[in-house]
Amino acid sequence: DADVTQTPRNRITKTGKRIMLECSQTKGHDRMYWYRQDPGLGLRLIYYSFDVKDINKGEISDGYSVSRQAQAKFSLSLESAIPNQTALYFCATSGVGGSGNEQFFGPGTRLTVL
Amino acid sequence: SQQGEEDPQALSIQEGENATMNCSYKTSINNLQWYRQNSGRGLVHLILIRSNEREKHSGRLRVTLDTSKKSSSLLITASRAADTASYFCATVSQGAQKLVFGQGTRLTINP
Repeated sequence: DADVTQTPRNRITKTGKRIMLECSQTKGHDRMYWYRQDPGLGLRLIYYSFDVKDINKGEISDGYSVSRQAQAKFSLSLESAIPNQTALYFCATSGVGGSGNEQFFGPGTRLTVL
Repeated sequence: SQQGEEDPQALSIQEGENATMNCSYKTSINNLQWYRQNSGRGLVHLILIRSNEREKHSGRLRVTLDTSKKSSSLLITASRAADTASYFCATVSQGAQKLVFGQGTRLTINP
């Protein structure tokens, strides 16, 4: 079984709709992250959480919100989707110390906003 | 803005040849990491090199780090078709707790 799972894997929606992307992990990590990737570009950080009570904005948080429901679950919401939020979205996790921020990624959610 | 800049943006070589990708960054770092991404999939961690290390090996991978030049290189020796992917460097700045990714190098290995 995959250590980091994302649902849905693909989603097509319309402008103005509310969308939630979900991420679950079985790695027992405290730290979780949401990124977006646009064609030909690297990953940009949207939000991150270092534990259940900790939420931090990343580089591009406008238009997004998150919820850390449990250590294992971290959801990303688009309150009112717009076409330029069409992208590939990745969730990632990491432990504390040891490997020093090595991150483990989910398979991604491809979101299309029409 | 992104911390790392990879060079070249795209690289195409024959199977069996060595592939070298470079990464430059702007601020002092705690460590630098390389990730691989197969088309449309999640990233996979390859190797981490700390700021006090100069070279690290893992199988056919060799990573170097020059903190005076703020640059790193990833060498893949004896390339295989399965190495075809995008490769990203990512840095953890001193005092920070998150990765900042470069734009990646798209590597194609021709059989």
